[in-house]
Parts: sequence; C-alpha cells; structure tokens
Amino acid sequence: EVVLTQSPATLSLSPGERATLSCRASQSVSNYLAWYQQKPGQAPRLLIYDASNRGTGIPARFSGSGSGTDFTLTISSLEPGDFAVYFCQQRGNWPLTFGGGTKVEIK
Amino acid sequence: EVQMVESGGGLVQPGGSLRLSCAASGFTFSNYAMSWVRQAPGKGLEWVSGISVSGDNTYYGDSVKGRFTLSRDNSKSTLYLQMNSLRAEDTAVYYCAKDFHNGDWYPHWDCWGQGTLVTVSS
Repeated sequence: EVVLTQSPATLSLSPGERATLSCRASQSVSNYLAWYQQKPGQAPRLLIYDASNRGTGIPARFSGSGSGTDFTLTISSLEPGDFAVYFCQQRGNWPLTFGGGTKVEIK
Repeated sequence: EVQMVESGGGLVQPGGSLRLSCAASGFTFSNYAMSWVRQAPGKGLEWVSGISVSGDNTYYGDSVKGRFTLSRDNSKSTLYLQMNSLRAEDTAVYYCAKDFHNGDWYPHWDCWGQGTLVTVSS
C-alpha cells in the first residue's frame, strides 16, 4: 500500500500569506495525485488532479506540482475561505489511498 | 446541477447489515465510474470501493473486501453499497463520489454527496 505522508500537520498563517503543503508518497505514483479541500461538516472538494491540473472552477491561486514521490500544493495568497483541511490522494497504485491531511488555520 | 444524495445510513449492531444508496442527477450517470469514500468521526478519508461504468468491474479496499458489495443500476442512476458483517471500525460518514473524467476508472472525484452516517454499536 502506498502511504502518503502530508506535512506539516498544521499550518498557521494569516490571510494574504502563501501556503505550501507537502505530500510524500512511499513509492512512485507517477503524476496520479489529487488534492482536496474539506471544510467542517462538508464533503471534500477537488482542487487539483493529476498533480498539476486545476479542477473545474478552482481559482488560479491554487497550484500543484511534483511527480513520482514528492508533491506540493501551493496557495499563493490565502483568502478567508481557504482555511480548511487539505488531503492528497493517489490513484497510481492499489489500493487508492489518502494522506492524513494538513490543517491550514488562521494565525 | 450535478448532485448525489446518499441514504440508508443509521445505527446497526456489530455483525449486522446495511445497504446504502446514492441517487445521482444532473449528469449521465452511465458514463462515469463511481466510488464510496468514508470518514470516521474526526479522522481522515478512506477509499472503500469503486465500480466501473458498466458495473462489470468492482474494486474494494482491503478493510472491506469480502464484506461489502458494490453495484449500480444505470437505468435508475443509482449506486448501492451492501455492507455485511459490520464492525465498530466501519463507523463513519460514507460519501459517494463521481469520477472526474467520463469513461472507465479515473478515480479522482469532482463531485461528492453530502454523506450518510453509519454507526456500528451495540
């Protein structure tokens, strides 16, 4: 099973700041990695698919990069609605797995 | 508007059974593979099961293999998850989720239901 390790567990930032989230895979998943945003009481929302492609309607301040085992989600300038939990997910190997999440909180 | 509505959750005793349904609308259901993803209270996400466009191929996570059965009825735009031999560790919110791309098996999910809570407890 591919283990996805997200870091940091919590990121404390202010609105307007840049957020950099990491997702590391225990073995290569090629570029088959997605990022989701989840707010309390809501279902996850697809932000990025296949490592670097924004989902439908996702603002340009969200960007993804990486391949193989190391991936990054960058939020260029945090807006109030961006404070949430972010999960990565891989579809490159069986079984499909998620990372443990990074909480982006207001500093 | 693309929408999925889950139903069938509730309280069940260990060893019991439950069938979840997911009614889809706003898109051509028969063109998309589908999955169930669950989230235990206060925990992360876990992929449970997926099914191909036709329903001929089903996939399961190790923790549910042999206990859960996934099926779909394309004529009713509905997904079903039959859950047997339930355990306390199956307690979670269960989401149905639609593959981002049409065609077969592209498990990144762009549309999710609101979830249905399954509680396994005596």
